[in-house]
Amino acid sequence: GAVVSQHPSWVICKSGTSVKIECRSLDFQATTMFWYRQFPKQSLMLMATSNEGSKATYEQGVEKDKFLINHASLTLSTLTVTSAHPEDSSFYICSAPSGANSYEQYFGPGTRLTVT
Amino acid sequence: AQSVSQHNHHVILSEAASLELGCNYSYGGTVNLFWYVQYPGQHLQLLLKYFSGDPLVKGIKGFEAEFIKSKFSFNLRKPSVQWSDTAEYFCAVSAWYTDKLIFGTGTRLQVFP
Repeated sequence: GAVVSQHPSWVICKSGTSVKIECRSLDFQATTMFWYRQFPKQSLMLMATSNEGSKATYEQGVEKDKFLINHASLTLSTLTVTSAHPEDSSFYICSAPSGANSYEQYFGPGTRLTVT
Repeated sequence: AQSVSQHNHHVILSEAASLELGCNYSYGGTVNLFWYVQYPGQHLQLLLKYFSGDPLVKGIKGFEAEFIKSKFSFNLRKPSVQWSDTAEYFCAVSAWYTDKLIFGTGTRLQVFP
């Protein structure tokens, strides 16, 4: 089946610094990818839709200047958490729809961000 | 706006017991419906999906779900759970025209031998 990878799997950073998380579709192309945030023992909250070659679409309440998304190629989307604060500590997950089976999505393993 | 609710937050069962997890959604149009499972320390995996056709869908590992349009529900069932079914289960919905998924709050299932 289709595979989506994320890197890094875990990152610790100091408050005020920026962190970049990568999401790659390994064996298929994805013009769209999605970024979610998952708090401990809670559900996934959709943050934004990453669109290849154009601006990302952010969900209501998500600060686009804080969570920068770049979808520079058909297999890579990046999420940069700028000026991170402890409240940004969370599990970030990306997903990509498989073109072969429309409306099905494949999820990455997630990236745990801890801001100290 | 779409929303998804899962009424069972934490379910504890013994092996061989039957399982039913509730999922209700709010959206006036045609929807695609999904159940995902997240085993401890692993990424989300698709259990089953409904796009159209037979409202009773079968998924992997013996799970099934029934779409009842009049009740806006898509409940997940398994006749006999196993210890290995211990995981977090998420119901998700997308409008027919989009890939964007809205997730329910999740149900934590614990199965004891």
